Amino acid sequence: GENVEQHPSTLSVQEGDSAVIKCTYSDSASNYFPWYKQELGKRPQLIIDIRSNVGEKKDQRIAVTLNKTAKHFSLHITETQPEDSAVYFCAASREKLTFGTGTRLTIIP
Amino acid sequence: KAGVTQTPRYLIKTRGQQVTLSCSPISGHRSVSWYQQTPGQGLQFLFEYFSETQRNKGNFPGRFSGRQFSNSRSEMNVSTLELGDSALYLCASSFGGLSGANVLTFGAGSRLTVL
Repeated sequence: GENVEQHPSTLSVQEGDSAVIKCTYSDSASNYFPWYKQELGKRPQLIIDIRSNVGEKKDQRIAVTLNKTAKHFSLHITETQPEDSAVYFCAASREKLTFGTGTRLTIIP
Repeated sequence: KAGVTQTPRYLIKTRGQQVTLSCSPISGHRSVSWYQQTPGQGLQFLFEYFSETQRNKGNFPGRFSGRQFSNSRSEMNVSTLELGDSALYLCASSFGGLSGANVLTFGAGSRLTVL
């Protein structure tokens, strides 16, 4: 089955700096790659997703890139703000979503 | 419209007991997936139901089971509880298309503590 590895497990950045979270997947047939954000005590929520026929997608300060050949995808957050502090999960899907183990992002004011 | 509703939100059981958790999806969503969330393990997939049929299953023992009713509401059951079953159980609903590119809407979860 699909295996998704996510790095780093924790990440601290100064407010205003950029943050990058990386994931690799094992199943070359996976075709959908969402990112979910889970704030403390809250449920995970989709923040951005990308499909396998697209290399990059942006939504304001958030962007995701996908390299199908290398089977990895990344989340980029620019101009980080305190409200970006949360746990971020990547996932890969062919028929069902397999999640990475999460990255706890802390924005230092 | 109403979101995904999970009940109960919190429960405490002892080893050997069984538990049933309920999930009501967003109206119109036909797929319900269940995940176990524990610190350091992320979101581990349990199973997915679509139109009352189990469509996908994760790598959990047979003590974990589920079902879906005709109104798309779903239940999951864990029998013979073990201490390691203590976790937050999240359900998520989606339209459930076969492409796999389904946006999940999560419920708030049921936090199970096994003593």
